[in-house]
Amino acid sequence: AQRVTQPEKLLSVFKGAPVELKCNYSYSGSPELFWYVQYSRQRLQLLLRHISRESIKGFTADLNKGETSFHLKKPFAQEEDSAMYYCALSNNAGNMLTFGGGTRLMVKP
Amino acid sequence: GAVVSQHPSRVICKSGTSVKIECRSLDFQATTMFWYRQFPKQSLMLMATSNEGSKATYEQGVEKDKFLINHASLTLSTLTVTSAHPEDSSFYICSARDLGGLGSTEAFFGQGTRLTVV
Repeated sequence: AQRVTQPEKLLSVFKGAPVELKCNYSYSGSPELFWYVQYSRQRLQLLLRHISRESIKGFTADLNKGETSFHLKKPFAQEEDSAMYYCALSNNAGNMLTFGGGTRLMVKP
Repeated sequence: GAVVSQHPSRVICKSGTSVKIECRSLDFQATTMFWYRQFPKQSLMLMATSNEGSKATYEQGVEKDKFLINHASLTLSTLTVTSAHPEDSSFYICSARDLGGLGSTEAFFGQGTRLTVV
């Protein structure tokens, strides 16, 4: 079975502070991991995927297979980063996507 | 967290027939439900946003006459794939937004429906 755990439901930081949203997964195969973001009153959208190894809006996430983690990081949070963030895991067949419970990030001025 | 139930989890249908997928929010009211489609090894693609009591908003490139969405109550939205073809075979996921409480903008997801058109 595959599982994604985001231990924090709410993360509140001040503007300019570093941010780390935690994500741990459980999967017996080779995982494909994503971060999705949902801004207030907007649709869920893909933020980044680990195979791209890219930085989007200053966010990065590194897959750590030893720790089975895919934490999302940003060195300096901005108010517009306030949103819901979902970590997601895809199985090898690509026909099952498991989401974590989500973390609400609040960036205070 | 809140529970969104999607039914059926798997369906196989013949080409040319229609298939209905239900998405229910079991313990909360959802004014907005989202329908996604996922292709193998790809991320979710938002198909449409469904608001209770009004017409769904479809994303660009999604045929609204083919993918009929009804959101008649605060706990149920349905997606009907009409005149299905093999290229419609995919994994469809719904998600629903909780109305109240802290984190009221949080969306919860159904378990998905694997549609195979033969």
